[in-house]
Amino acid sequence: EAQVTQNPRYLITVTGKKLTVTCSQNMNHEYMSWYRQDPGLGLRQIYYSMNVEVTDKGDVPEGYKVSRKEKRNFPLILESPSPNQTSLYFCASSRTLGPQYFGAGTRLSVL
Amino acid sequence: TQLLEQSPQFLSIQEGENLTVYCNSSSVFSSLQWYRQEPGEGPVLLVTVVTGGEVKKLKRLTFQFGDARKDSSLHITAAQPGDTGLYLCAANFGNEKLTFGTGTRLTIIP
Repeated sequence: EAQVTQNPRYLITVTGKKLTVTCSQNMNHEYMSWYRQDPGLGLRQIYYSMNVEVTDKGDVPEGYKVSRKEKRNFPLILESPSPNQTSLYFCASSRTLGPQYFGAGTRLSVL
Repeated sequence: TQLLEQSPQFLSIQEGENLTVYCNSSSVFSSLQWYRQEPGEGPVLLVTVVTGGEVKKLKRLTFQFGDARKDSSLHITAAQPGDTGLYLCAANFGNEKLTFGTGTRLTIIP
């Protein structure tokens, strides 16, 4: 089954404690991206990757890092989380900028 | 940063009624996608439109892409409770990014 898998689904952490949210897709897609979704603000792109070892900033990259060492994986790293990073996060993949396939989301709370 | 405006932000109507939601920008799209998102899930693609003036139908849903490629609409005929959800448009403006609108939250009352 074609899917994008994010882990964990829920995470509560404290300010400053490094965390990683994993994302994996099994569709051999070149394009992967991370979004955060906040009430009234819609989905905002954090980082995207056109292919392996190619990553670039989206609209809200501050406080986040990503890597794309393998085609299937695109982890999101928060080196020092802050409360304003409390949000619902989605990973997505696609062929170039075609239809996006989204993961089920990760709800993060930073205390 | 290009912006996509969706209207209305919220819409609540009775089952069986028709409705239209809109997606507008001041910049020209290369392509536009419509998604529906249900609580606790990621958005799911409904349709992609790429040609100005294009009309696509998906059962009771009709999608239009404006001639000037700056706007799109989604019309639902005879709305059903299963249509309830957050409707999102997403556009590519000729770069490597996909920009999402803020969404229309639709509630269909049985």
